[in-house]
Amino acid sequence: AQKVTQAQTEISVVEKEDVTLDCVYETRDTTYYLFWYKQPPSGELVFLIRRNSFDEQNEISGRYSWNFQKSTSSFNFTITASQVVDSAVYFCALGPSNYGGSQGNLIFGKGTKLSVKP
Amino acid sequence: KAGVTQTPRYLIKTRGQQVTLSCSPISGHRSVSWYQQTPGQGLQFLFEYFSETQRNKGNFPGRFSGRQFSNSRSEMNVSTLELGDSALYLCASSPVGSGGYNEQFFGPGTRLTVL
Repeated sequence: AQKVTQAQTEISVVEKEDVTLDCVYETRDTTYYLFWYKQPPSGELVFLIRRNSFDEQNEISGRYSWNFQKSTSSFNFTITASQVVDSAVYFCALGPSNYGGSQGNLIFGKGTKLSVKP
Repeated sequence: KAGVTQTPRYLIKTRGQQVTLSCSPISGHRSVSWYQQTPGQGLQFLFEYFSETQRNKGNFPGRFSGRQFSNSRSEMNVSTLELGDSALYLCASSPVGSGGYNEQFFGPGTRLTVL
């Protein structure tokens, strides 16, 4: 079965704290893709990052960084020096082998609601 | 470039009715996917259309259907509405790439309430 687990339902931090959002996935595919999306209160999902299963390099983008570890099937997301504008629900998603080139059928975790207080 | 647009943004229907939701993808994007988001089940994939053909389908009953037009705009239809169909319906479009998953761009969603 293919599954994404985000064990943290809600996290609350004070501005400028660092916060890590956990994501654990299950798949038997050797080729797959992992994503993080942000959903602010407006409701629109915003793409943050895509990583394929062959690229285990960690990535940093400004205050955001991602740690991909195939050995533990985890793809964790860290926000450094959090800001109030980071308050949102964050989703981790798995894109399984897309036979036929399908672009859809992402499997999402249940999301982690992050609240950053001033 | 305009983003993904969805109409209407809000909809209230009663049980037994049917509803049609519309999605206009980003210009040039030929893949359109639909997702249902509910507090209990989270985000679930409904189906994906590419070049007017359904290319992939999630685990939803036949009451949920969709189609795509030659200009890549897509509609989804839910017949015989049930209370459990109340959800945020999200549409996402994606450019066609050489392989793998491309970034999906999501619209603001249609909030459907079934009374």
